[in-house]
Amino acid sequence: GENVEQHPSTLSVQEGDSAVIKCTYSDSASNYFPWYKQELGKRPQLIIDIRSNVGEKKDQRIAVTLNKTAKHFSLHITETQPEDSAVYFCAAGTGGFKTIFGAGTRLFVKA
Amino acid sequence: DGGITQSPKYLFRKEGQNVTLSCEQNLNHDAMYWYRQDPGQGLRLIYYSQIVNDFQKGDIAEGYSVSREKKESFPLTVTSAQKNPTAFYLCASNIGAGGSGELFFGEGSRLTVL
Repeated sequence: GENVEQHPSTLSVQEGDSAVIKCTYSDSASNYFPWYKQELGKRPQLIIDIRSNVGEKKDQRIAVTLNKTAKHFSLHITETQPEDSAVYFCAAGTGGFKTIFGAGTRLFVKA
Repeated sequence: DGGITQSPKYLFRKEGQNVTLSCEQNLNHDAMYWYRQDPGQGLRLIYYSQIVNDFQKGDIAEGYSVSREKKESFPLTVTSAQKNPTAFYLCASNIGAGGSGELFFGEGSRLTVL
């Protein structure tokens, strides 16, 4: 079946450094790539998403890049802060029930 | 205050018992979903419903059942047939077909089988 692989599973960075999380997907029909952040004990929330008609999208300190040819996309967080510590999930699909999630990356930002 | 409400937050069950997890939304969303979250496995789709009185199996539907009698409500029953029910369960909703695709999640229900 279709799947989404996410790396690394755990990432530890110093406050102020950048963090990069990478995902690959298998379904070439995928055209929607959201990223969700889940803080400890809280619900996942969408932080940024990108559609296949663009290669990059930025929102303040976070950015997502997409390479459809290689079927991979990445989340970049610059100037990390302790409040960025959370689990991040990538996902790929065509939206709704046709969305496959990665296994998640636990990000630790050390003050 | 719009959103998705799940209850209970924590639930303990003895083996052989069925339990029902509640999910209510006041976002006027057509589509609702149930996901299971296990450590290191991301979110896996159990069931989804795109419209009232209709629902479909997701990737891991065995041992679960749902109903969608009202637009606002999508309860999940974990039956005794589910071999490994201890997990964190997340309900979500979105506008549905033609929408942005963003999923809105509840705060989850943690089920522990004793």
